[in-house]
Amino acid sequence: DAKTTQPPSMDCAEGRAANLPCNHSTISGNEYVYWYRQIHSQGPQYIIHGLKNNETNEMASLIITEDRKSSTLILPHATLRDTAVYYCIVRVVSSWGKLQFGSGTQVVVTP
Amino acid sequence: EAQVTQNPRYLITVTGKKLTVTCSQNMNHEYMSWYRQDPGLGLRQIYYSMNVEVTDKGDVPEGYKVSRKEKRNFPLILESPSPNQTSLYFCASSLDRVGEKLFFGSGTQLSVL
Repeated sequence: DAKTTQPPSMDCAEGRAANLPCNHSTISGNEYVYWYRQIHSQGPQYIIHGLKNNETNEMASLIITEDRKSSTLILPHATLRDTAVYYCIVRVVSSWGKLQFGSGTQVVVTP
Repeated sequence: EAQVTQNPRYLITVTGKKLTVTCSQNMNHEYMSWYRQDPGLGLRQIYYSMNVEVTDKGDVPEGYKVSRKEKRNFPLILESPSPNQTSLYFCASSLDRVGEKLFFGSGTQLSVL
């Protein structure tokens, strides 16, 4: 699986959009971009994933650049409960659940 | 409520004393898996199962056993725990058979003295 690069931390004001970047310049054609988050010592939570088209669900939006070398996770209206470490992962779908979490981005949402 | 339930949440034990961490899901998911999370090492897969009676090794299976006799349950067994198995353990499940979208339990913090 390709490696990803994320900023170590970022702050966001409550109610504002949080834009989390991820670089995955060595991504392969059959690798998807996944985002998970983990609130302190709790189980990781699936957020969203995509291959090349932008995706949106009830939690977030995923914007993937045309060359697929980077992506941005958007939390449209951040709340205090969104404070967590966010992990960007690239993987093939059929990788039997293997997740290589990097260091992630610690997001702190402030009032 | 759809969930993955692990028990216990915290466990302190001594070297060599067999233990079992239970995992149950109520979503009729095909796939289940166990992970351990250690500082600086991230999340590592121990075992996974894509169906009843089908299990396979992940990246760090040594010292662990699993079974999948029922679709909803996937217990993790440590026959002879050692201090290097002190870790935070997570069980996860997925509707599909390859672990595409994983739902995780709340975790089990295990300390082996």
